[in-house]
Amino acid sequence: GQNIDQPTEMTATEGAIVQINCTYQTSGFNGLFWYQQHAGEAPTFLSYNVLDGLEEKGRFSSFLSRSKGYSYLLLKELQMKDSASYLCAVTDSNYQLIWGAGTKLIIKP
Amino acid sequence: GAVVSQHPSWVICKSGTSVKIECRSLDFQATTMFWYRQFPKQSLMLMATSNEGSKATYEQGVEKDKFLINHASLTLSTLTVTSAHPEDSSFYICSARSPGGRETQYFGPGTRLLVL
Repeated sequence: GQNIDQPTEMTATEGAIVQINCTYQTSGFNGLFWYQQHAGEAPTFLSYNVLDGLEEKGRFSSFLSRSKGYSYLLLKELQMKDSASYLCAVTDSNYQLIWGAGTKLIIKP
Repeated sequence: GAVVSQHPSWVICKSGTSVKIECRSLDFQATTMFWYRQFPKQSLMLMATSNEGSKATYEQGVEKDKFLINHASLTLSTLTVTSAHPEDSSFYICSARSPGGRETQYFGPGTRLLVL
């Protein structure tokens, strides 16, 4: 079966750095996405990785290792507004998007 | 990024009525749109994949006759919840897949449905 694992909840301090991990087992791979979802709102696109390595975009970076079936989202200089759920999603060989359950990130002052 | 709109944002209706939700891609043509449902504190659940000009593909357990999907143009897909019941109360979110190699989905703002 297809499976995406990410921690259910994480807590971090304002100004700090946090890494949210995602591991996947899917039938084929055509890219990995990270989305941010604030409570009561729809998800918004953060990043896309299809090749191994680190993609940096401002305070957010996303890493991919296809051989390990592993990705992480790195958030630096955390702000209170970063409190949200972070969803990992993988596109399989049929270009179907397989969603993780999301990681709820709680930022404390 | 690409912009997707959804209308209405809030619906309150009586049990037994039908509700139509519109999803529009505003600045790109979307051959494929997706409809999701999300219950409070739960993950996104894909309901169906909507392809322009053809019938929607429904996920297992989603009633085709209850959730009618029409993708009449490259910028518009509609979801009609027929004979809504209180258990259909949920957050309905559409997304549109942008053209090109990334296959990125961009989400509409969602529609909150409350069936009394």
